[in-house]
Amino acid sequence: GESVGLHLPTLSVQEGDNSIINCAYSNSASDYFIWYKQESGKGPQFIIDIRSNMDKRQGQRVTVLLNKTVKHLSLQIAATQPGDSAVYFCAENISPQGAQKLVFGQGTRLTINP
Amino acid sequence: EAGVAQSPRYKIIEKRQSVAFWCNPISGHATLYWYQQILGQGPKLLIQFQNNGVVDDSQLPKDRFSAERLKGVDSTLKIQPAKLEDSAVYLCASSPTLDYGYTFGSGTRLTVV
Repeated sequence: GESVGLHLPTLSVQEGDNSIINCAYSNSASDYFIWYKQESGKGPQFIIDIRSNMDKRQGQRVTVLLNKTVKHLSLQIAATQPGDSAVYFCAENISPQGAQKLVFGQGTRLTINP
Repeated sequence: EAGVAQSPRYKIIEKRQSVAFWCNPISGHATLYWYQQILGQGPKLLIQFQNNGVVDDSQLPKDRFSAERLKGVDSTLKIQPAKLEDSAVYLCASSPTLDYGYTFGSGTRLTVV
């Protein structure tokens, strides 16, 4: 069915450590994936995206890995900072033709410990 | 560029009352989305507009929810009558046609008591 899920609902890491947030998706036809960050009281904020013809993409302190064989997506955050504390969602575009339609997972709450 | 504007930020109503939310997307964005986000869950798509036409409203509870996008710009989402389970954050997002990456507004937090 159309679903995107996350393996862990919560994740705590020490400030300065690296964190990895995982996501499983079910639609083999999805062509585009996005990670969003949502802070309390705010709407989801775009972090990084990746298209299905890629397996890795890097941004500033963030890396997204895509494994289409097992339909798995991960977000790596390097040298975590207190400001990284938030809920992280993965989303997949299930409408490769025409205007995109994103389906979101349940989210992982990342807590950075000082 | 200016972001997606939503109002009001908060709304508390009693069950069976009506409520309306407003969204102004980023200028030039043809596609507009309304999502419902229940506490502790990911956003769930309610309706998708392309200009002023509906592309997908399969997840919209049409017996009580309605939405329109006048002149292909602003949009309103209405609930009538509201139920307790409608308590959620209602997020509006927009994107350029056939492009990637939504931009979300800050949402309207609805509490039905």
